[in-house]
Amino acid sequence: EDQVTQSPEALRLQEGESSSLNCSYTVSGLRGLFWYRQDPGKGPEFLFTLYSAGEEKEKERLKATLTKKESFLHITAPKPEDSATYLCAVQASGAAGNKLTFGGGTRVLVKP
Amino acid sequence: SQTIHQWPATLVQPVGSPLSLECTVEGTSNPNLYWYRQAAGRGLQLLFYSVGIGQISSEVPQNLSASRPQDRQFILSSKKLLLSDSGFYLCAWSVREYEQYFGPGTRLTVT
Repeated sequence: EDQVTQSPEALRLQEGESSSLNCSYTVSGLRGLFWYRQDPGKGPEFLFTLYSAGEEKEKERLKATLTKKESFLHITAPKPEDSATYLCAVQASGAAGNKLTFGGGTRVLVKP
Repeated sequence: SQTIHQWPATLVQPVGSPLSLECTVEGTSNPNLYWYRQAAGRGLQLLFYSVGIGQISSEVPQNLSASRPQDRQFILSSKKLLLSDSGFYLCAWSVREYEQYFGPGTRLTVT
């Protein structure tokens, strides 16, 4: 059974204080690892897809990296508008319906 | 561009009443469609997915059912709601094995 564990559950940062979120996974053959951002009361917003170990993707202050067992989402010099819950999900090779397995998320609060 | 709609946005229903949530997608053909439920402060639990009209796969046995009467329409239903059905319901679509895109969600409170 595919499993995704995200840590920490919550993270409080001062504006400008860089940090990293962790996503550990076990999957029977990884097709892709996905990062989403979710604001309160809204649907998740797609950020990145990573396909193979060593791959990196960047978007503004966010950078996602992937190893064979985990992924990191680095937030560089965060601003209050980066406050959100960040969700990680994996897709197994050959997954029926191309379904995703999600972690529990990391709630990030950036204080000015 | 593709757009996904969900309605209603919020719903308060008594225990034992029926439920119908609707999701429609615009701007794409033959998408995979998904229903998720999210409990407060938790991750997403996949409830149903569909790879085509009339094709429904259930992930978690429960009080809910899903139907796909048209290519870009996905409906979540219940004959009798339970208190435990409360939550935030999200519909999503994808093309083949690529990323999923989510709708705005429906907040359901069962009283």
